[in-house]
Amino acid sequence: AQSVTQLDSHVSVSEGTPVLLRCNYSSSYSPSLFWYVQHPNKGLQLLLKYTSAATLVKGINGFEAEFKKSETSFHLTKPSAHMSDAAEYFCVVNSGTYKYIFGTGTRLKVLA
Amino acid sequence: DAGITQSPRHKVTETGTPVTLRCHQTENHRYMYWYRQDPGHGLRLIHYSYGVKDTDKGEVSDGYSVSRSKTEDFLLTLESATSSQTSVYFCAISERGGAAEKAFFGQGTRLTVV
Repeated sequence: AQSVTQLDSHVSVSEGTPVLLRCNYSSSYSPSLFWYVQHPNKGLQLLLKYTSAATLVKGINGFEAEFKKSETSFHLTKPSAHMSDAAEYFCVVNSGTYKYIFGTGTRLKVLA
Repeated sequence: DAGITQSPRHKVTETGTPVTLRCHQTENHRYMYWYRQDPGHGLRLIHYSYGVKDTDKGEVSDGYSVSRSKTEDFLLTLESATSSQTSVYFCAISERGGAAEKAFFGQGTRLTVV
């Protein structure tokens, strides 16, 4: 079975400070992992994905994530938050069963 | 952006009535999915399809049925809507369905059952 746990339902940061959104996963097989972002009243946009190549994955808008097998983690980071980063972020796992399993989401608030 | 269109975008319906949501894609992708999004639950898979007339259940399939008679269309039907089915519904597609394949999402349909 596969599952995803997003450790924080809400994160607040000040503009210009680093962002850390935490995700732990459980999978019986080598998983692929994704981060999606959802801006208010919008659909979901892919930020980045990990598929067993490099463990440090760079995505769009300055985001990156590091796959750590020993910790079963796939945390999302950004060095400097921008107001436009305010959104909900979803960590997603797919172990090859045609099913994408979503975490419960982390709502990021960016303070001016 | 991937060519995915969900219709309608918003719908209010009464308890006990049937409702059909449509997902139309122009990408010729093999795999299509229906998710529902609820606060505190993220997105949960309702049903998915791996080809024309080939569908399977997800984790929250009770009360829902699907049909896929053409590659481009995936219909989600609530046979008798209930208030617990008030939600935002997202359609997604992926090309080959493998673990490394990214999914593309539609804009969502907000359904309210009163």
